[in-house]
Amino acid sequence: QQQVKQSPQSLIVQKGGIPIINCAYENTAFDYFPWYQQFPGKGPALLIAIRPDVSEKKEGRFTISFNKSAKQFSLHIMDSQPGDSATYFCAAKGDSNSNSGYALNFGKGTSLLVTP
Amino acid sequence: SAVISQKPSRDICQRGTSLTIQCQVDSQVTMMFWYRQQPGQSLTLIATANQGSEATYESGFVIDKFPISRPNLTFSTLTVSNMSPEDSSIYLCSFGQGVAQETQYFGPGTRLLVL
Repeated sequence: QQQVKQSPQSLIVQKGGIPIINCAYENTAFDYFPWYQQFPGKGPALLIAIRPDVSEKKEGRFTISFNKSAKQFSLHIMDSQPGDSATYFCAAKGDSNSNSGYALNFGKGTSLLVTP
Repeated sequence: SAVISQKPSRDICQRGTSLTIQCQVDSQVTMMFWYRQQPGQSLTLIATANQGSEATYESGFVIDKFPISRPNLTFSTLTVSNMSPEDSSIYLCSFGQGVAQETQYFGPGTRLLVL
């Protein structure tokens, strides 16, 4: 079953807007939460990641907000640009039901379109 | 970080055949990972490859279908065997950094279409 639930499936914002993508998880053993950006025809690229002992992390225009009690985390993109149009994936890692213990459990992705 | 490449970038194959995908990292890494990304779906880990030992497969994936080699610290291959149209996916390799290999960097992927 999907270990990480991501919403919305797609999102359209105007340039300069702040798209917000949300993810929720159930497994309290997860201890690492990265976000990836994927452009068509490319592999996912690591954007930013957070651990549960921190409630917020910023890197450039990208911010992760983390709510441990609610088991939710979100990605905010400040001053979004058309070049940010891509698919965004959240993920979670920890001692889950991965045989190797190394699996990143991905959400289903959010297709973001930033219009000029 | 290290640069990771894959070959081929895409292929169209006939049902019943096999395809071997190569993954090369430009520096030595401990763990390499193979993921599958089905059309419009999220990524799912197939197996973890550690040099000098058998690959560890995740639930739902078996060695007979997806044999993996890891001959050295910079290279790995994934074979998709006896392919069917359901195997049409993007196959991605990655490598990990950090004590728990949690920071994973992905290659560009191999886009496979099985007819």
